[in-house]
Amino acid sequence: GAGVSQSPSNKVTEKGKDVELRCDPISGHTALYWYRQSLGQGLEFLIYFQGNSAPDKSGLPSDRFSAERTGGSVSTLTIQRTQQEDSAVYLCASSPRQGMGNEQFFGPGTRLTVL
Amino acid sequence: DQQVKQNSPSLSVQEGRISILNCDYTNSMFDYFLWYKKYPAEGPTFLISISSIKDKNEDGRFTVFLNKSAKHLSLHIVPSQPGDSAVYFCAASSGGSYIPTFGRGTSLIVHP
Repeated sequence: GAGVSQSPSNKVTEKGKDVELRCDPISGHTALYWYRQSLGQGLEFLIYFQGNSAPDKSGLPSDRFSAERTGGSVSTLTIQRTQQEDSAVYLCASSPRQGMGNEQFFGPGTRLTVL
Repeated sequence: DQQVKQNSPSLSVQEGRISILNCDYTNSMFDYFLWYKKYPAEGPTFLISISSIKDKNEDGRFTVFLNKSAKHLSLHIVPSQPGDSAVYFCAASSGGSYIPTFGRGTSLIVHP
């Protein structure tokens, strides 16, 4: 079956512009995560959605970052007024269940470059 | 402060030999540990996991060992193959959180 997909695969933008990144999780997966990976760094948690519960936004680095998940499926991550330090690979993952041992299925990521 | 540490950024091994990737953690509440493998331009893929009630889990060529007293786990790959060349991430979570904490990864290169 289809895995997690993300679009665009690459995005180059100018400092100060807004960007939207999209994630299509695996059908039926209730949990959805956004991470980012900066050069030479590990995966930095951004936000977590689980079913209809309020999202865990504790990893968002600033109020320029927001995300939503419509209908419990597709999610968009929006970065307003982008800065050069926002350049990173943004990864989305979904999981079929919550709880211990929740293996995550990752998309290929969106590489964001802010000039 | 990193709660999950992979202190070796890279590891080079000859094909057929054993690869040992190490991971240390500081949070004693972590009770579930996962390893992911990542190829360039792809997302990480799940490899193997272990619960804190065990000290070893094996799946084919991959074995994860957990030493709770030392807060240390390791991934053994035997025998190593060139296709194993990738970045390996260690992740840990606690029962009360559904958000795993990831290490920075170790880049494994297996030479033919």
